[in-house]
Amino acid sequence: DQQVKQNSPSLSVQEGRISILNCDYTNSMFDYFLWYKKYPAEGPTFLISISSIKDKNEDGRFTVFLNKSAKHLSLHIVPSQPGDSAVYFCAALNTGGFKTIFGAGTRLFVKA
Amino acid sequence: DVKVTQSSRYLVKRTGEKVFLECVQDMDHENMFWYRQDPGLGLRLIYFSYDVKMKEKGDIPEGYSVSREKKERFSLILESASTNQTSMYLCASSSGTGTDTQYFGPGTRLTVL
Repeated sequence: DQQVKQNSPSLSVQEGRISILNCDYTNSMFDYFLWYKKYPAEGPTFLISISSIKDKNEDGRFTVFLNKSAKHLSLHIVPSQPGDSAVYFCAALNTGGFKTIFGAGTRLFVKA
Repeated sequence: DVKVTQSSRYLVKRTGEKVFLECVQDMDHENMFWYRQDPGLGLRLIYFSYDVKMKEKGDIPEGYSVSREKKERFSLILESASTNQTSMYLCASSSGTGTDTQYFGPGTRLTVL
């Protein structure tokens, strides 16, 4: 039973356009959400996060939107760059615990 | 800069062998984690530790054990390796609880023949 779902295994976008990566969750106890980025042969690195008390968090070209009623979050990358090509993992947790639940990941290809 | 290192990048073992995967972090983090990454399944938590000599089962602990004798080191042990344990193994560390992000090592690609 996957509590965090990334239904798109891959996404291809032209350089300069917007990339939108989606994530759905089922556990209403989750109150903090993160996105990690992973390049081949490297471990995941933290990208951006959002608390459940907010509906948007922005950091440069990266914005995460949270829709609690729909149990859905999305990562927007504008403008997309070839260096953004990587696997993106959505993750969720309850801040009272230690366990972070990860989605299956979405591989983003940004074409030059 | 936080650094999490893993003892091997690639490892090939035979069925039934005992396998040790070592992880070391240099930032005095309390929490350490072992995940495995498989296509279509993402990262799944095997075990974690929130203090020296403390360990907690994650979502898929069967066939694995862990050891944390020192704060900076967290070892994953496959008592008797099986082919279904062929995977990418990722170690991570974090400080505190809740919103603290995890820092990952580069991973160990384990193949069990």
